Amino acid sequence: AQKVTQAQTEISVVEKEDVTLDCVYETRDTTYYLFWYKQPPSGELVFLIRRNSFDEQNEISGRYSWNFQKSTSSFNFTITASQVVDSAVYFCALSEALYRDDKIIFGKGTRLHILP
Amino acid sequence: NAGVTQTPKFRVLKTGQSMTLLCAQDMNHEYMYWYRQDPGMGLRLIHYSVGEGTTAKGEVPDGYNVSRLKKQNFLLGLESAAPSQTSVYFCASSLLSGSMDEQFFGPGTRLTVL
Repeated sequence: AQKVTQAQTEISVVEKEDVTLDCVYETRDTTYYLFWYKQPPSGELVFLIRRNSFDEQNEISGRYSWNFQKSTSSFNFTITASQVVDSAVYFCALSEALYRDDKIIFGKGTRLHILP
Repeated sequence: NAGVTQTPKFRVLKTGQSMTLLCAQDMNHEYMYWYRQDPGMGLRLIHYSVGEGTTAKGEVPDGYNVSRLKKQNFLLGLESAAPSQTSVYFCASSLLSGSMDEQFFGPGTRLTVL
């Protein structure tokens, strides 16, 4: 069954520290897509990244980086040198291509607090 | 471009009342979605649409109805509101299927059912 687990409900770090948000997924498909979305205190969700299952290359975008490991079914998100503006709820999500029905499943989210 | 807008932003209903939430997008997207967000539950898909005139059930469709009469609008209806429907509702749209493509979200509607 399709499932996304974000075991960290809430994390607090001091500004400038690095922090990693974990995402573990389960899928019956060999072709699938993984996403990360950010929900800042304003409430509106913002897309961060999409990765398909055939592309295991890690991605870096400024202070953000993503580590995709099929062997452990994980798609972890790291923020380097965190800033207060990074405080938000972060959602990992999964969709399956073979059984695709135009839907994605979201994890329950990790609330990240960056303390000044 | 306004992106995805939702009306209203806040609403309080009494049990048994009905209401309609409006979602509008100006990006000419084919796909539109309604989610609800509850504490500790993440986002759960209520209904979605893959194009004008189409609708489909999501993960938690009971108690809701939807219509997509125009490509740019996606309406979510509650015929007889219940306290369990107290939630924050998000609309989203995407050019391609949201299972492969970035979804653009509206600002949300906070609904309280007393």
